[in-house]
Amino acid sequence: DSGVTQTPKHLITATGQRVTLRCSPRSGDLSVYWYQQSLDQGLQFLIQYYNGEERAKGNILERFSAQQFPDLHSELNLSSLELGDSALYFCASSRDNEQFFGPGTRLTVL
Amino acid sequence: AQSVTQLGSHVSVSEGALVLLRCNYSSSVPPYLFWYVQYPNQGLQLLLKYTSAATLVKGINGFEAEFKKSETSFHLTKPSAHMSDAAEYFCAVNPQPGNTPLVFGKGTRLSVIA
Repeated sequence: DSGVTQTPKHLITATGQRVTLRCSPRSGDLSVYWYQQSLDQGLQFLIQYYNGEERAKGNILERFSAQQFPDLHSELNLSSLELGDSALYFCASSRDNEQFFGPGTRLTVL
Repeated sequence: AQSVTQLGSHVSVSEGALVLLRCNYSSSVPPYLFWYVQYPNQGLQLLLKYTSAATLVKGINGFEAEFKKSETSFHLTKPSAHMSDAAEYFCAVNPQPGNTPLVFGKGTRLSVIA
């Protein structure tokens, strides 16, 4: 157990819908990262937050957004969902140059 | 931009045989390097990391990796494969020291044959 929790574990929705994925980092970790894992793109970095502020942005679509709250948990919002958004979404938190990954949320868009 | 290349999307070995998973990185400065393992339907677990200390890094489950700057490589090895090693393995680079995003390779699926 990495100490990073993600909910829900699975999410099935339809095209055009909006979903929210939730992540709680390890106790004391200020950085939260979101990654997307898909068969064709592999593991790609989406966005990073540090202590409530956006720190770095990767290949995140404009339809996607994220935020980190004062209690340090983070949410990734995906809107106007397309079939191609079906993927495994991981959250990670870090300390001392080491990232700890949550179990992921598997999103299926039908 | 930093990149990681994992040679071989699928490697198959016999139980008890040597495991060798290849990883090459592109970086103008010595980066931090990592190997992660992903078992089916699970998240990523850190196997080992190189952070500019010893070039031979020992990790969990009997795995080790050697950082070779001249070859820009960080290959993962294990002397004797076990059935439980069957999983997907990812090499990753952290181009900047500190809490910054990782760049992952495409992964290598390891199969272990009895």
